[in-house]
Amino acid sequence: EPEVTQTPSHQVTQMGQEVILRCVPISNHLYFYWYRQILGQKVEFLVSFYNNEISEKSEIFDDQFSVERPDGSNFTLKIRSTKLEDSAMYFCASSQTGDNEQFFGPGTRLTVL
Amino acid sequence: DQQVKQNSPSLSVQEGRISILNCDYTNSMFDYFLWYKKYPAEGPTFLISISSIKDKNEDGRFTVFLNKSAKHLSLHIVPSQPGDSAVYFCAARDSGGSNYKLTFGKGTLLTVNP
Repeated sequence: EPEVTQTPSHQVTQMGQEVILRCVPISNHLYFYWYRQILGQKVEFLVSFYNNEISEKSEIFDDQFSVERPDGSNFTLKIRSTKLEDSAMYFCASSQTGDNEQFFGPGTRLTVL
Repeated sequence: DQQVKQNSPSLSVQEGRISILNCDYTNSMFDYFLWYKKYPAEGPTFLISISSIKDKNEDGRFTVFLNKSAKHLSLHIVPSQPGDSAVYFCAARDSGGSNYKLTFGKGTLLTVNP
């Protein structure tokens, strides 16, 4: 069964460093998303992406964040200068159409020291 | 800003009995609802969904009920199995325009005891 994959599973970085989180969505899906879950809190929407552009972003997704689909299979989330409060699980998701259910990857645990 | 609320942080049931997980929402623009299951160190796994034009959707042991007037939905698992032990998230979507983001509740930890 096709699934969303994410790498790395765990990323440790120093405050102020740039990180890139990678995702491979399900191959015939057209809509891509990033969510995050800070420990003990709920899953929060960050950004949605369709047709090579951002379709919606939350207030969390400020200028430090960017997304890219560099080729036909990868979808990346870049955090330019990480802060302590960026420490969280980051989940990538994809859906075939905008109104289908979203399928989530296993997540990348980002730890900012 | 809790547009989706799961007021029970945890629920414990015996194997074979019914598990009922509840969810309330405040945003009347939500028109599509989903339940996800999450094991530790894994991503949320889609379980079942319901559109606001329906009041019930069933898939095997899982049934979701939607009461739009009360802005309430529930997930029934019958019979419950120990493998169902996980955190269950209710999520909702407002499909107006091109907005497909999901708004999640805080989750309910279900423990099914053998």
